[in-house]
Amino acid sequence: AQSVTQLGSHVSVSEGALVLLRCNYSSSVPPYLFWYVQYPNQGLQLLLKYTSAATLVKGINGFEAEFKKSETSFHLTKPSAHMSDAAEYFCAVTLPRIQGAQKLVFGQGTRLTINP
Amino acid sequence: NAGVTQTPKFQVLKTGQSMTLQCAQDMNHEYMSWYRQDPGMGLRLIHYSVGAGITDQGEVPNGYNVSRSTTEDFPLRLLSAAPSQTSVYFCASRSTGGGFSGANVLTFGAGSRLTVL
Repeated sequence: AQSVTQLGSHVSVSEGALVLLRCNYSSSVPPYLFWYVQYPNQGLQLLLKYTSAATLVKGINGFEAEFKKSETSFHLTKPSAHMSDAAEYFCAVTLPRIQGAQKLVFGQGTRLTINP
Repeated sequence: NAGVTQTPKFQVLKTGQSMTLQCAQDMNHEYMSWYRQDPGMGLRLIHYSVGAGITDQGEVPNGYNVSRSTTEDFPLRLLSAAPSQTSVYFCASRSTGGGFSGANVLTFGAGSRLTVL
């Protein structure tokens, strides 16, 4: 079964600093990977996804993530944090094939705080 | 285009009561699902459906019931509420175009916050 682990339940950075949110996955076959963001009192919305094309994936709001098979990682980065980036971020994994594609498995989430 | 609509947004129940969380989508998505969100545990899949008349269990199905009589609606029923079911519930849907591809993105509702006393 596939799974993801997000390292760090809380991350705090200064405005303008680099944002790095860590995600490691476990999967028996090459997976599809996603990052979602949740702003306070809202549902989740997609930031970016990896579906076996380019390993460096660019998403909305200046975020990007790199799929590294050798490290089983899919870390999320943004060069310069903005106050509006404060939110909870979730990494998720699913399998490409029919049966496995029905279950999107989420990590525990990382709450990002931006200090002025 | 409303997307995924969940009702109610907030609900307080007493232990043993039953209720139904409603979910409707207007995007003609075949796949619909229910997740619960608890602090430190991320989102966990309760039940999902790949089309009308077809449902299956996720990670944490106990205490919940679902049915899918139409493409648009996917209600979640709590048969006898327990304090352990206090949570935020999210409904999400996606197209299954491309042969049930896992690459298709989930669209989430705004959530339903349930408290069981």
